[in-house]
Amino acid sequence: EVQLLESGGGLVQPGGSLRLSCAASGFTFTNYAMSWVRQAPGKGLEWVSSLTGSGDNTYYADSVKGRFTISRDTSVNTLYLQMNSLRAEDTAVYYCAKDLYSSSTNWFDPWGQGTLVTVSS
Amino acid sequence: DIQMTQSPSSVSASVGDRVTISCRASQGIASWLAWYQQKPGKAPKLLIYAASSLQSGVPSRFSGSGSGTDFTLTISSLQPEDSATYYCQQASSFPRTFGQGTKLEIK
Repeated sequence: EVQLLESGGGLVQPGGSLRLSCAASGFTFTNYAMSWVRQAPGKGLEWVSSLTGSGDNTYYADSVKGRFTISRDTSVNTLYLQMNSLRAEDTAVYYCAKDLYSSSTNWFDPWGQGTLVTVSS
Repeated sequence: DIQMTQSPSSVSASVGDRVTISCRASQGIASWLAWYQQKPGKAPKLLIYAASSLQSGVPSRFSGSGSGTDFTLTISSLQPEDSATYYCQQASSFPRTFGQGTKLEIK
């Protein structure tokens, strides 16, 4: 069974940094693209970033480009999102998601349970 | 960026009703469209991908159709557990974008 477990969320001041983790199990981690999607309180879904299964390519939303970095450690099957220069508008639940198929970056399935990031002074 | 627009924003229907939710892309995306269901406090769940392919384990009362710019999610016979918010998502190009969501309420 595929399991994704996010951690690392919390309260951070504007301008601060946070690193989210997503521990993956139940599948061959290096075969699948992984993504981060966020949801601000009471709002819809916003794609944040994706990393291809090969690890060669990364993609970012314009709203986080230059501030966030997606990466992974294949030795511990963990996906990361390093978030710097955080702003109030980054406040959201952050979900990690696996791609449905290997060698694609299209369909998010399944999703983790999410971790809440609150940016506030 | 490709904008995804869903309609209606909310809908109320009775058990057994047929419900349709529409999603329109700002430019053609062929069949690069998915539908997700999200219940309060839970992570989204993939229902439909590639516009009309039913994800494993999803009840057959859910179906998707369309291509190009106009897409539809249909629930053929509404059940109480279908109360949720539904999102469409395009996978034609980066950045991936979602519709604003349609909240489905059971009367």
